[in-house]
Amino acid sequence: GNSVTQMEGPVTLSEEAFLTINCTYTATGYPSLFWYVQYPGEGLQLLLKATKADDKGSNKGFEATYRKETTSFHLEKGSVQVSDSAVYFCALSDELRGAQKLVFGQGTRLTINP
Amino acid sequence: DVKVTQSSRYLVKRTGEKVFLECVQDMDHENMFWYRQDPGLGLRLIYFSYDVKMKEKGDIPEGYSVSREKKERFSLILESASTNQTSMYLCASRPWASGANVLTFGAGSRLTVL
Repeated sequence: GNSVTQMEGPVTLSEEAFLTINCTYTATGYPSLFWYVQYPGEGLQLLLKATKADDKGSNKGFEATYRKETTSFHLEKGSVQVSDSAVYFCALSDELRGAQKLVFGQGTRLTINP
Repeated sequence: DVKVTQSSRYLVKRTGEKVFLECVQDMDHENMFWYRQDPGLGLRLIYFSYDVKMKEKGDIPEGYSVSREKKERFSLILESASTNQTSMYLCASRPWASGANVLTFGAGSRLTVL
């Protein structure tokens, strides 16, 4: 079945550093791709998404481009802030018994130091 | 503001107890989901529901059951809790016609089974 692999964490950076969190996927067809973020003590919330190849999703300074040729959807931000400290999940859409569901990666914990 | 509310943020139960985790959404969404979140494993789908009184097994349904008697409420039931069910449980919902497959999550219920 479809699956997602994220880079191992935890990741620790200094404020204003450049961030990349790698995400690759295995899928039949062309799923939609997502990044969700989980701030401490909260549930997951959608950060950005892309629904077809070469689409770029962006939000709050984060970006990710749907790369069909490399089956990747890497998350990037040019200058991180302490408030970006969270767990980040890459996900793709999949079908299970006729219903759409999301398949998540293992999550990457990001800590930004001032 | 749309919401998915999980009634218990923290629970401590004993092995063999019956456990109910409740989830309520106020968005009139047809689809509801239960995931568990474990470090290094990401989110794994336990059960989901297309609509009232409908349920489907996800990827890891063993040891769990669900109830969807009303559209807004989706309950996860652990018939006889075991220590390997210690985890964070996340409820999510989505409208049936969500072409972008975006989920709204609750804040989570952290269950410890002793």
